[in-house]
Amino acid sequence: KQEVTQIPAALSVPEGENLVLNCSFTDSAIYNLQWFRQDPGKGLTSLLLIQSSQREQTSGRLNASLDKSSGRSTLYIAASQPGDSATYLCAVETEPNAGNMLTFGGGTRLMVKP
Amino acid sequence: KAGVTQTPRYLIKTRGQQVTLSCSPISGHRSVSWYQQTPGQGLQFLFEYFSETQRNKGNFPGRFSGRQFSNSRSEMNVSTLELGDSALYLCASSLYVGDTEAFFGQGTRLTVV
Repeated sequence: KQEVTQIPAALSVPEGENLVLNCSFTDSAIYNLQWFRQDPGKGLTSLLLIQSSQREQTSGRLNASLDKSSGRSTLYIAASQPGDSATYLCAVETEPNAGNMLTFGGGTRLMVKP
Repeated sequence: KAGVTQTPRYLIKTRGQQVTLSCSPISGHRSVSWYQQTPGQGLQFLFEYFSETQRNKGNFPGRFSGRQFSNSRSEMNVSTLELGDSALYLCASSLYVGDTEAFFGQGTRLTVV
């Protein structure tokens, strides 16, 4: 059974810092890994999707890497801003899978202080 | 292009009642998945539908059910509500089955009193 863990559970940094969020998964047979952002009481916003054949994806100040063999992914946020404050979730789609079932980590709650 | 639309946004129900939640996927998307989010358990997969067929089901009691219509809109139903069913219910829309990006709606906040 796939298990996804995110460390740290919470993180508080001053504005402008570069930071790394970690995600690990127990079963390396995955189709893809997706990073999401969730603001309090809201739905999930997709940030980056990394397919199993890829090593990394970039979008603006965000860069996500994937090491399938070691079961790890990192989300790098450059020059953090107060607007980045949210909970960040990673999720994997595991093989074999008859559909699109995602297994989520517990999330990292990020606070960026002005 | 409209995103994933979930209705209603908020619901308050009494124990023992039943509830129906609705999800309209992104236009052209044929896969709809449902998740329950609670502070204690995090995000847990409920079930998934593709072309009106249930493809996957999570580890939830039979009180939780769903269906998908020919226009890909989906509904989930919870019967005999319990206090523990209070949660944010999220719907995800995907273009097809397997190795594809998931897009989530804003969720329905269900409170059972």
